[in-house]
Amino acid sequence: GESVGLHLPTLSVQEGDNSIINCAYSNSASDYFIWYKQESGKGPQFIIDIRSNMDKRQGQRVTVLLNKTVKHLSLQIAATQPGDSAVYFCAEKGGSNYKLTFGKGTLLTVNP
Amino acid sequence: ETGVTQTPRHLVMGMTNKKSLKCEQHLGHNAMYWYKQSAKKPLELMFVYNFKEQTENNSVPSRFSPECPNSSHLFLHLHTLQPEDSALYLCASSPLVTVTNQPQHFGDGTRLSIL
Repeated sequence: GESVGLHLPTLSVQEGDNSIINCAYSNSASDYFIWYKQESGKGPQFIIDIRSNMDKRQGQRVTVLLNKTVKHLSLQIAATQPGDSAVYFCAEKGGSNYKLTFGKGTLLTVNP
Repeated sequence: ETGVTQTPRHLVMGMTNKKSLKCEQHLGHNAMYWYKQSAKKPLELMFVYNFKEQTENNSVPSRFSPECPNSSHLFLHLHTLQPEDSALYLCASSPLVTVTNQPQHFGDGTRLSIL
């Protein structure tokens, strides 16, 4: 079956730096992508989404980039703060299928 | 506050016990989901309900029994569970179960430990 994976399981950055979290997907029919943040002891929290007819979308301090050619998704966090420390994972929806497929996640640690 | 509330937050039970997990959403959504989250594994979809009707059972063992009395409430009844069922059980909701592009919104989960 189709799967969504992450290049880096852990990422450690200094406070104030920019963070980039990557995600690879294999279903070329995927048309919708979501980034979630999961803090310790909490459920996944929606951060930002992007449709396949776009290649970039910006939110507050976050930007999602979609490269359909290489089936790659990234989440950029500007001026990373200690409160950004969490597991981040991507999810994709494949075309006519309403189900979301989730990646395993990347642990982001922000050092003060 | 996510708009999706799960109770209890923690549950420890023996393999012969019967317990239920509860989920309530205050977002006006019509679709609700149960997921299992185990360590170092991606989220696993268990059940999907759309307008109170079950639309998906992802080959879940019968010791897990879902119930959806209305679009705002979802239960997961547990009986004779196994140690490998220990995990975080997450409830989510979305406006509809369709092919439209809508994020699912999650509760904070029930941490289940089977003795």
